Amino acid sequence: GQNIDQPTEMTATEGAIVQINCTYQTSGFNGLFWYQQHAGEAPTFLSYNVLDGLEEKGRFSSFLSRSKGYSYLLLKELQMKDSASYLCAVRLTSGTYKYIFGTGTRLKVLA
Amino acid sequence: DTEVTQTPKHLVMGMTNKKSLKCEQHMGHRAMYWYKQKAKKPPELMFVYSYEKLSINESVPSRFSPECPNSSLLNLHLHALQPEDSALYLCASSQGAFGSSYNEQFFGPGTRLTVL
Repeated sequence: GQNIDQPTEMTATEGAIVQINCTYQTSGFNGLFWYQQHAGEAPTFLSYNVLDGLEEKGRFSSFLSRSKGYSYLLLKELQMKDSASYLCAVRLTSGTYKYIFGTGTRLKVLA
Repeated sequence: DTEVTQTPKHLVMGMTNKKSLKCEQHMGHRAMYWYKQKAKKPPELMFVYSYEKLSINESVPSRFSPECPNSSLLNLHLHALQPEDSALYLCASSQGAFGSSYNEQFFGPGTRLTVL
């Protein structure tokens, strides 16, 4: 079976840094994606990792360790608008389009 | 145009009704997806079309019937649904190039479906 786990909820303060973890055990691996989803809205793409290491994109960074089946999303200088759900998703194999989403993490940013 | 559109935004239907959800993209993407999302849960993959052919059906009940009339359009036909089918139905698209290393999905705003 496919297993992708994230913490259910996290709370952080405006201006702080938060790390959202994602661990996966899947039958294949061809990349890990992070999406942000505000309540009642569509998920929007944040970042992508396929090789080990850190990818940085402005206030957002994402890290991948394939040997450990582990990724994290780092959000810096938190803003109130970052309050949302964060979803990691694994693409199972190259050339196919099967993506499995993690359980999702609801982040609440407090003033 | 980097948008995926979905209609209708909201749909209420009875268990004996037949209705359709529509999805459209004009980004030249060749892969299109249907997901079902229940409240406070992640999206669950239902169907994938690749180059207008059905490539993945995640054992979805036959009361859901997908259709891809052309590379820009994706429909989901609904018939004899159950109350537990009430959910947000999300459409997504991605480039679909074989072996592409990126291929992030672009999601539409979804159709919120209520089955009475």
